[in-house]
Amino acid sequence: AQSVTQLDSHVSVSEGTPVLLRCNYSSSYSPSLFWYVQHPNKGLQLLLKYTSAATLVKGINGFEAEFKKSETSFHLTKPSAHMSDAAEYFCVVSDARRNSGTYKYIFGTGTRLKVLA
Amino acid sequence: DTGVSQNPRHKITKRGQNVTFRCDPISEHNRLYWYRQTLGQGPEFLTYFQNEAQLEKSRLLSDRFSAERPKGSFSTLEIQRTEQGDSAMYLCASSLRATGVYEQYFGPGTRLTVT
Repeated sequence: AQSVTQLDSHVSVSEGTPVLLRCNYSSSYSPSLFWYVQHPNKGLQLLLKYTSAATLVKGINGFEAEFKKSETSFHLTKPSAHMSDAAEYFCVVSDARRNSGTYKYIFGTGTRLKVLA
Repeated sequence: DTGVSQNPRHKITKRGQNVTFRCDPISEHNRLYWYRQTLGQGPEFLTYFQNEAQLEKSRLLSDRFSAERPKGSFSTLEIQRTEQGDSAMYLCASSLRATGVYEQYFGPGTRLTVT
């Protein structure tokens, strides 16, 4: 079975300092991995996706994630946090079993990012 | 706006009542998903449609829940005889069957409160 584990439920950083949100995955297949952000009262927005083309993935708003197969990790980073980054972040693995066309998402439990002025 | 839309955005109902939610996906997307998100948790998969065919249902989807996508466009999710445990955010997402990675686009959700 596929799963993701987000290692921190809450992360606090000061504005202008780096952000690290940790995610480990478990998959029997070559995984498709995503990071989504959820601002209060807004829908889930795709930040970035791992397509197996490159292990370092660049997303929107300055976020990046690095796929490390040996560590089964897909951590999200940003060099400098902005107040507007405060939100809930979800790491997601897509259920891409061979011969299964569902590709449903399996979400982590989320990491709430707080940015301090 | 050409994104995924959901109606209503909020629904308050009394236990035992039936409720129906609607999702309008991005127009060319043939895949449609329903998820449920409870407080402090990540969304959990409920069901999946490819065009009008419902191809997978989660064990979370009890027999009080039914979903349809009659013409392969919009979808409805009905909950009969609501219970307090049904209180959650119900999210709809759509994607396009194509080569490569199938990212999903989410609507704003319908927040259900059962009193």
